[in-house]
Amino acid sequence: GESVGLHLPTLSVQEGDNSIINCAYSNSASDYFIWYKQESGKGPQFIIDIRSNMDKRQGQRVTVLLNKTVKHLSLQIAATQPGDSAVYFCADSGGYSTLTFGKGTMLLVSP
Amino acid sequence: DAEITQSPRHKITETGRQVTLACHQTWNHNNMFWYRQDLGHGLRLIHYSYGVHDTNKGEVSDGYSVSRSNTEDLPLTLESAASSQTSVYFCASSEGTGGEKLFFGSGTQLSVL
Repeated sequence: GESVGLHLPTLSVQEGDNSIINCAYSNSASDYFIWYKQESGKGPQFIIDIRSNMDKRQGQRVTVLLNKTVKHLSLQIAATQPGDSAVYFCADSGGYSTLTFGKGTMLLVSP
Repeated sequence: DAEITQSPRHKITETGRQVTLACHQTWNHNNMFWYRQDLGHGLRLIHYSYGVHDTNKGEVSDGYSVSRSNTEDLPLTLESAASSQTSVYFCASSEGTGGEKLFFGSGTQLSVL
C-alpha cells in the first residue's frame, strides 16, 4: 500500500478475476493487521483482520496472507465484482499502539 | 443497530474561525479516534481517547483539540482554522485497548477558505 506522490497505486481487473492487493509494513513489532475497504464518499469499512500468530485467514470471498519474515500483507479477493471497486487500506499495530494505516490501493473492476 | 455518526457532513469556514466537528457513537466503546484523510497521506491520527476524561495526541495534533466528557461523544475542535486543515475528517471507535478493529463514521468534508 505505498503511494507515489498524489496518485494512488491502482489495480485494474476484469469482473470474475481474482484480485491481489499488497501491503508492506515497517514495524517488526506489529502483531495485529487489518484491511479496510473505502468506497467514494464513505468511511472505511472493515473487511478482515489477522493476528501475528497466523499466516492466513479466510472470510467470505477474501483471504488475508501475512508474511512476517518480509513484513508483507496481502488481500486476495476471489471472483471480483464491480461492487468491489474501492480503495483498500491495510493497517497494523503492535501491543497497545494505535493502528498505522497504509496509503491505500485503488481497485477498479470492469464488467 | 449501534452506529457512529458525524456531523456536519460538509462544512465551509473561513481562516481563523473556531470550528467543532461532532462525533457520537452508540457502540458503548471506550476508545474513540479522530483521523484526517488527504490524498497522498492516507489516514493520519489527530487525537484519541481511551475513556472519559482521557485524551492523547496523535501524529498530526497541532491546531486541534478534543475533550471526552462522556462515553458517547468526542468532539474535535479546530481552534483557529487554517487552509492546511482543509481535509476529510473521520471519527472512529473501538472496543479494546490499542490496536483493535475500528468502526468508522461517514466523515466530514471541511473546507477552510
